[in-house]
Amino acid sequence: DAKTTQPPSMDCAEGRAANLPCNHSTISGNEYVYWYRQIHSQGPQYIIHGLKNNETNEMASLIITEDRKSSTLILPHATLRDTAVYYCIAVIQGAQKLVFGQGTRLTINP
Amino acid sequence: GAVVSQHPSRVICKSGTSVKIECRSLDFQATTMFWYRQFPKQSLMLMATSNEGSKATYEQGVEKDKFLINHASLTLSTLTVTSAHPEDSSFYICSATHRAGANVLTFGAGSRLTVL
Repeated sequence: DAKTTQPPSMDCAEGRAANLPCNHSTISGNEYVYWYRQIHSQGPQYIIHGLKNNETNEMASLIITEDRKSSTLILPHATLRDTAVYYCIAVIQGAQKLVFGQGTRLTINP
Repeated sequence: GAVVSQHPSRVICKSGTSVKIECRSLDFQATTMFWYRQFPKQSLMLMATSNEGSKATYEQGVEKDKFLINHASLTLSTLTVTSAHPEDSSFYICSATHRAGANVLTFGAGSRLTVL
């Protein structure tokens, strides 16, 4: 699986859009980008995933660059409950086993 | 939606005793479940892949005799920490996929083990 690089921490004001970057410059053509988050002392929660097209669901949007070397997770209107560690993972579809990096600790400030 | 339940959520035990943690898929069958461990302020570390009806596959550095995994049914996997020591104190989390070939894992809420 391709290595991903994320900033260790970010802050965002409540109500504003939170944009979390992820670098995956060595991603291969059959690897998807998955995003999970982990709220303190809970199990991780799936957010969204994509291959090359931008994706949107009820939780977030995922923007993948055309060369697929990086992506951005967007939480359009961050709330205090979005404070969590966000993990970006590149993995081959169907591989099942997910290896988590250090993620980005996002703090939403009132 | 897919739900994975873990029990117990918290357990405190004495050094030298064994502790069993259960992971159940409540509304789907899971032929494969995964066990992770997480130390404070660290990321999740994959310990092993639990396969229904066969032996678990352990990650490098994880002692299979220390962390016994049993996946006897399509909805239940158990992790037993044998002869627990204080250094085994950690947050143990299980996960499962509810669709074959998918990477959308559903995680349990985790079990916090404290060994005195």
